Formats: sequence, C-alpha cells, structure tokens
Amino acid sequence: ETGVTQTPRHLVMGMTNKKSLKCEQHLGHNAMYWYKQSAKKPLELMFVYSLEERVENNSVPSRFSPECPNSSHLFLHLHTLQPEDSALYLCASSPQDGRGYNSPLHFGNGTRLTVT
Amino acid sequence: GDSVTQMEGPVTLSEEACLTINCTYTATGYPSLFWYVQYPGEGLQLLLKATKADDKGSNKGFEATYRKETTSFHLEKGSVQVSDSAVYFCALSDNAGGTSYGKLTFGQGTILTVHP
Repeated sequence: ETGVTQTPRHLVMGMTNKKSLKCEQHLGHNAMYWYKQSAKKPLELMFVYSLEERVENNSVPSRFSPECPNSSHLFLHLHTLQPEDSALYLCASSPQDGRGYNSPLHFGNGTRLTVT
Repeated sequence: GDSVTQMEGPVTLSEEACLTINCTYTATGYPSLFWYVQYPGEGLQLLLKATKADDKGSNKGFEATYRKETTSFHLEKGSVQVSDSAVYFCALSDNAGGTSYGKLTFGQGTILTVHP
C-alpha cells in the first residue's frame, strides 16, 4: 500500500466522547501535517511535525491533541469536542530537505467528523 | 501574513469550454505556488506547481504561469471535460521563514462543474 492513508473515513461522536484519528504514510517522508477543512473556509493548518517533533501549533484548542510516535504515523486525539468542530480532517506528508518549501504535500482522503 | 485569494465559485461550464480560475497572493518572501484539485470524497492532489517567477506549471491540459509583477497564478485549460469537475485550490509555500518543510497557505477553493 502506498500514499497517505487515514482512518476512519467517517466518525460521529458526542461532545463527551474521546476518539482518535489515525494517519499513516508509506512515502518515506519526514514531515506530517493536520489540516481542517470546513465548508466555505480555506483549509486551516492545525499542526506540523518535522522529524517527529511538533514544529507548529496554530492556536488549536487543547481539545485537539496530536501525537507522532514515528515518521510514518500521526494521530489526532479528540476529547470534549464542540459541534463547530465538525469538519473534514486531512492528514498530509512531505519530504524534509533544505528546500522543503518547494515540495508538494501528499494528502490522505480525510476523516469526515461529525460532533453531535 | 501570507494569503491567497481565489475567484468566487461555483463555476459551471459546458464540455469543451475554456476555463480560467483566478488566483492572487500576498507573501513576505519568494513563494512557490501550487494548484491542488479535490475530487468528490477524496483528499487534495497536486495538479501543478511553479517555483519561481515566469515559470509555467502544466499537467493534464491545465496550465498556470507564475506572474510576480501581478502576484498572480491563474489556472487555465483550453477544453474542459466532465471528469474535470472538482474543487480547485490555489496555494503558496513561503520560504521566508527558512523552513525545511512545506507549509502551505490555501485559497478558499473554487468548485467547478462541467456539464456534457
């Protein structure tokens, strides 16, 4: 299997639940990202991991907790979410090199999250 | 900060019509520019990119030229097909921070529907 794989594809959770989103990449990349895609809004960068260290956290509420145990796996742990957190959550990866800003991101198909 | 502005959608065309989706940007450094496409139920896929002024990116009949003087990167195709129906995102990656990973700023996306 190649590319970026996200599971589950769909998730419905109540506001008091705890769940986790999983992302796995088989591209040999060293940078991984979480993006949030909401209707009629630009994609929002949430977190960036580079060489398994978190290098960006774009003012994301603490009810979202990322984890990157190794360069191939990325998790997003969710707890006490709000209905406005319902969105498509996209994972991406990219190479890590001196000109990484030129490298395109490779995206998974996303997890459609609905908070009830 | 960096920003990307795309033309408002949705765009509806007949098959074989010409397509232009406008994209303008603001950036502090010398960005690389990208067009991504998102088909229904899928994540984003890189369509084309350009890394310096006057570069032309092209793929699958789509083209876009990096215009530094007008800070634009308009997407064009001479003859669209039904299979081109998707959401198109313009994005930039700014190297001003000297990052070694690709941090993308996206436009809000333009929905394209092509009818037979």
